Amino acid sequence: NAGVTQTPKFQVLKTGQSMTLQCAQDMNHNSMYWYRQDPGMGLRLIYYSASEGTTDKGEVPNGYNVSRLNKREFSLRLESAAPSQTSVYFCASSEKSSGANVLTFGAGSRLTVL
Amino acid sequence: GEDVEQSLFLSVREGDSSVINCTYTDSSSTYLYWYKQEPGAGLQLLTYIFSNMDMKQDQRLTVLLNKKDKHLSLRIADTQTGDSAIYFCAESRATGGFKTIFGAGTRLFVKA
Repeated sequence: NAGVTQTPKFQVLKTGQSMTLQCAQDMNHNSMYWYRQDPGMGLRLIYYSASEGTTDKGEVPNGYNVSRLNKREFSLRLESAAPSQTSVYFCASSEKSSGANVLTFGAGSRLTVL
Repeated sequence: GEDVEQSLFLSVREGDSSVINCTYTDSSSTYLYWYKQEPGAGLQLLTYIFSNMDMKQDQRLTVLLNKKDKHLSLRIADTQTGDSAIYFCAESRATGGFKTIFGAGTRLFVKA
């Protein structure tokens, strides 16, 4: 059971380049999320998709777009990468259980923008 | 606004108890979580507590919640070197609770 799979694990971009981070989950969860992790700042929510066909902004959406391709897949796109987007990106999914929103995370994608 | 705060570092000796503290500001928070992140990996849920509880125990882990002071703690008994990791406190609401807010994480060092 793979859980949440993210690709790529590592990527180096030049300023202005574009790229898409891919995420897929095999747990039949309704909700999916993209977070970024920066030192001393914890995880910050970029975008989320509460269910297939919907997406909403999180705390730090500027410079990103998302697509909920189907129930399994949720991609994050950087149209014109900036050094401030150097970070570790985590995809997560959840199925609310009695009100608690328990997240299952992927292993992360480390992005460096030069 | 919503904010979750935790100290950044904690160092303990193997076999001692570790206590990681967290404070939160959102009085509407109904679920509080502890996640663990090992090096190079994603976060994994350790445990969570509903806000009408004040304590939850699970083997070596004890969670204490003081709702009046908005203070959450995680106690790890008999800490082992394998417990070395970053521990994140997080909160969400039961209604519309798709936004889980995380603290900055506490890095636990366990000395042999």
